[in-house]
Amino acid sequence: KQEVTQIPAALSVPEGENLVLNCSFTDSAIYNLQWFRQDPGKGLTSLLLIQSSQREQTSGRLNASLDKSSGRSTLYIAASQPGDSATYLCAVMSTTSGTYKYIFGTGTRLKVLA
Amino acid sequence: GAVVSQHPSRVICKSGTSVKIECRSLDFQATTMFWYRQFPKQSLMLMATSNEGSKATYEQGVEKDKFLINHASLTLSTLTVTSAHPEDSSFYICSARGTVDQPQHFGDGTRLSIL
Repeated sequence: KQEVTQIPAALSVPEGENLVLNCSFTDSAIYNLQWFRQDPGKGLTSLLLIQSSQREQTSGRLNASLDKSSGRSTLYIAASQPGDSATYLCAVMSTTSGTYKYIFGTGTRLKVLA
Repeated sequence: GAVVSQHPSRVICKSGTSVKIECRSLDFQATTMFWYRQFPKQSLMLMATSNEGSKATYEQGVEKDKFLINHASLTLSTLTVTSAHPEDSSFYICSARGTVDQPQHFGDGTRLSIL
């Protein structure tokens, strides 16, 4: 059974810092992995989608990497801003069950201080 | 980018009422739609998956007679919470995608409060 863990659970940093959020998963047979952000009381906003054949994806100040063999993904945020404050969720799409659905991590609550 | 619209954003109603939540994909065809439930400070729990024109597939422990899902078109899915009770109070979020290779997009959620 796929399990997805995110470390740290919470993070508070001063504005301008570069930071790394971690996501680990137990079953390396994944189809893809997607990173999301969730603002309080809102739905999820898609940030980056990495297919299983890819190593990384970049969008603006965000870079996500994927190492399937070790069961890890990282989300790198450059030059953090207060507007980046949110909960970040990684979701892994497993293939072992034969269905294509996401298993979500526990999330990292990020606070960027002005 | 792709937009998923979820309505209503908040519902407050009495116990025993049935509540319908709509989820629409505005600028893409949603082959598959998902319904999630989220408890405070917890991650998302998948309730069911639906493909257009087919019956929904419910996750273990989710009552299909309690949570009725209809995915009648490629742009619309509805979740009806039948005879809602206070324990059904939660944040419900829908999601949609085109093909399995495409990103999954989420609505803004519905805060359901049953008195």
